[in-house]
Amino acid sequence: EAQVTQNPRYLITVTGKKLTVTCSQNMNHEYMSWYRQDPGLGLRQIYYSMNVEVTDKGDVPEGYKVSRKEKRNFPLILESPSPNQTSLYFCASSRPGRVFNEQFFGPGTRLTVL
Amino acid sequence: AQTVTQSQPEMSVQEAETVTLSCTYDTSESDYYLFWYKQPPSRQMILVIRQEAYKQQNATENRFSVNFQKAAKSFSLKISDSQLGDAAMYFCAYRSVNQGGKLIFGQGTELSVKP
Repeated sequence: EAQVTQNPRYLITVTGKKLTVTCSQNMNHEYMSWYRQDPGLGLRQIYYSMNVEVTDKGDVPEGYKVSRKEKRNFPLILESPSPNQTSLYFCASSRPGRVFNEQFFGPGTRLTVL
Repeated sequence: AQTVTQSQPEMSVQEAETVTLSCTYDTSESDYYLFWYKQPPSRQMILVIRQEAYKQQNATENRFSVNFQKAAKSFSLKISDSQLGDAAMYFCAYRSVNQGGKLIFGQGTELSVKP
């Protein structure tokens, strides 16, 4: 089954404790990205990757890091989480390009930073 | 930069009735895609319908249809014969053909369906 998986699904942590949210896709997609969802703001892109070892900032990258060492994985790293990073996070993947390629979303990770 | 605006934070509809969700966007591009996503309580993002900007014909998927007004930069979603399962958050989204796969989302509209 074609899917994007994220782990963990729920996480409660404390300020300053480094954490990683994993994302993996089994569709051999080149394009992967991370979004955060906040009430009244919709989803906003944090980082994206066009392919292995190619990453770039989205609209709200502050406080986040990513890596793309393998095509299937795109982890999101919070080196020193703060309460304003409490949010719902989505990983997504698709084939890039001018033609329409459906974007597949993971199930979401609910993060609370105390 | 492109922006997407959904001015209705909440909407309500009676079961079996029709409801229209509004979306406007701003762009200087002529070629792009527009989408409506549904997010039920499970939080899963579900693609409901898409529209290619170069197509004049409005997209339709069963009970879901759009009214795409390119000159007005408007992209509304009409849900006919509303069902209880349609209750969800709905997001309008824009994608440029030149920016890989980046989606720009509106703020969302919470739709409730009354039995």
